[in-house]
Amino acid sequence: DTAVSQTPKYLVTQMGNDKSIKCEQNLGHDTMYWYKQDSKKFLKIMFSYNNKELIINETVPNRFSPKSPDKAHLNLHINSLELGDSAVYFCASSLITGELFFGEGSRLTVL
Amino acid sequence: GESVGLHLPTLSVQEGDNSIINCAYSNSASDYFIWYKQESGKGPQFIIDIRSNMDKRQGQRVTVLLNKTVKHLSLQIAATQPGDSAVYFCAENGLGNYGGSQGNLIFGKGTKLSVKP
Repeated sequence: DTAVSQTPKYLVTQMGNDKSIKCEQNLGHDTMYWYKQDSKKFLKIMFSYNNKELIINETVPNRFSPKSPDKAHLNLHINSLELGDSAVYFCASSLITGELFFGEGSRLTVL
Repeated sequence: GESVGLHLPTLSVQEGDNSIINCAYSNSASDYFIWYKQESGKGPQFIIDIRSNMDKRQGQRVTVLLNKTVKHLSLQIAATQPGDSAVYFCAENGLGNYGGSQGNLIFGKGTKLSVKP
């Protein structure tokens, strides 16, 4: 009954590869987000989607492309992975003005 | 640029004592503040929030204080328990930053709270 679920939980890959992280929420929320948490625990928003439409796109390399097939899903695709992409990526959801619910995180390690 | 930060990166307290975690913010337009708790290996979890028209809000064992004059936010945890051990983040949602959605948050650096039995 996980409210916000993301897969995979761990991802280890080589530089230059392309990878995706999937996120699904069953809370009926209309807004979903991707946050990046670095090794110092600093959390920063990357993207926000409301009803499948992009509403926030922070300064993130073009190699990162979010895709929202429906309002319950927000996937993150990353091309040409770099060492600096290693981090924990958190998906979250909320009603447009409601409490933010985070997933458990996906730890990406780029070798 | 505007930022939210924390005074102490780590805090160690004895079980049963009260804990106070502090946060300074610099965006005077911020009208909504939230505290999150992040346990090891998990995502951040909402604890308590406060709007700028208030200076104090109480929850179960937690109290958030807001001092807009000095742009300071604090989280007080009463009778700290081992289960309170986690990293605590303050976050702000400044007016003018995409409107009122809670998701457009600027997070502080986090304070690690360790509770000694």
